[in-house]
Amino acid sequence: GAGVSQSPSNKVTEKGKDVELRCDPISGHTALYWYRQSLGQGLEFLIYFQGNSAPDKSGLPSDRFSAERTGGSVSTLTIQRTQQEDSAVYLCASRTSGVLYEQYFGPGTRLTVT
Amino acid sequence: AQRVTQPEKLLSVFKGAPVELKCNYSYSGSPELFWYVQYSRQRLQLLLRHISRESIKGFTADLNKGETSFHLKKPFAQEEDSAMYYCALLYSNTGKLIFGQGTTLQVKP
Repeated sequence: GAGVSQSPSNKVTEKGKDVELRCDPISGHTALYWYRQSLGQGLEFLIYFQGNSAPDKSGLPSDRFSAERTGGSVSTLTIQRTQQEDSAVYLCASRTSGVLYEQYFGPGTRLTVT
Repeated sequence: AQRVTQPEKLLSVFKGAPVELKCNYSYSGSPELFWYVQYSRQRLQLLLRHISRESIKGFTADLNKGETSFHLKKPFAQEEDSAMYYCALLYSNTGKLIFGQGTTLQVKP
């Protein structure tokens, strides 16, 4: 009965390093989303996975950002050559196939780029 | 272009006072709007949606298509209402949500 989990909860990295953020959705949820939450910007959509369909990457801010979802479950968001403006809380959410609007959010990963 | 605007970053009221968190949207289709809430140290969660026309924790929100607004209201604020509130628009049939910038509600004793 666990909800969406994310790891790590906090990540501090140096500018220019690559980071990987992990999301474990609720079991059986077919859709998975990544969002970025930053001061002044609110919640920005990054990427969306639905089953075996091609992901909707329309929210990724640059080609330094990528994500994959293996086996229709766990997802990893990768940020290459991190910049200070990447500092934010990265949220993952999942939902069932039936109810489009009710997304269940994870606790987030707070990324700080120094 | 589809957009959700929450003009207030911070709204501070005293306990027992009425509260209204503003939300305006821009969307060419028939909008479906929601309010999400994030209490301190908790996850973001759905508060209410306009279709159900329900009252949750004393909050209501009415969709006004003429004014393209979906303001969240509560007649008597409580300290436990202090949180970050996000207005969201359902965009397309993918379940993609477009969020506003969020409003922090601070209810003072």
